[in-house]
Amino acid sequence: AQRVTQPEKLLSVFKGAPVELKCNYSYSGSPELFWYVQYSRQRLQLLLRHISRESIKGFTADLNKGETSFHLKKPFAQEEDSAMYYCALGVNQAGTALIFGKGTTLSVSS
Amino acid sequence: DVKVTQSSRYLVKRTGEKVFLECVQDMDHENMFWYRQDPGLGLRLIYFSYDVKMKEKGDIPEGYSVSREKKERFSLILESASTNQTSMYLCASRGSGTQGYTFGSGTRLTVV
Repeated sequence: AQRVTQPEKLLSVFKGAPVELKCNYSYSGSPELFWYVQYSRQRLQLLLRHISRESIKGFTADLNKGETSFHLKKPFAQEEDSAMYYCALGVNQAGTALIFGKGTTLSVSS
Repeated sequence: DVKVTQSSRYLVKRTGEKVFLECVQDMDHENMFWYRQDPGLGLRLIYFSYDVKMKEKGDIPEGYSVSREKKERFSLILESASTNQTSMYLCASRGSGTQGYTFGSGTRLTVV
């Protein structure tokens, strides 16, 4: 069965520290992977897609098929990065839905 | 610039009431989804639709139904609201291909 695991409920770091939000997935085929972010009182929005290999707001994520991971990284955290982050898995098949992890709250303090 | 609109931001309903949550998208997307979001549980899929009048059960469909009569509108129906359906409900849409979802702002439903 497809599954997404985000092992940390809460990650607290100081401003300027590196950040890594972990995401592991379970899927035997070729996955689509996404990171979504929800800032306080805002709607959930797409942060990154693995297929586009972009860097958004300083965040990057690399798909590691061997380790079935898609960790989100940022070298220097900012206070405005404080938010809830969800990793999501899509299977490339019509008529299917994204599977979300349980989310990690990132708290960046000064 | 709002592309997915949920009709209510906050709703308070009584136990046993029939509740309608409405979602409209203006991006001509084929796929629409309803999730509920609860602390510590993440987003759980209730129902989704990949075409007009088509629907598929998600992981937690019990106590819910959906309606998609037009491409742009996807309604979630709580047949008889119960207190354990108190939650944040998120609607999303997705076009074809490898795009991600566009989410609505959510409806926080409280059942008393």
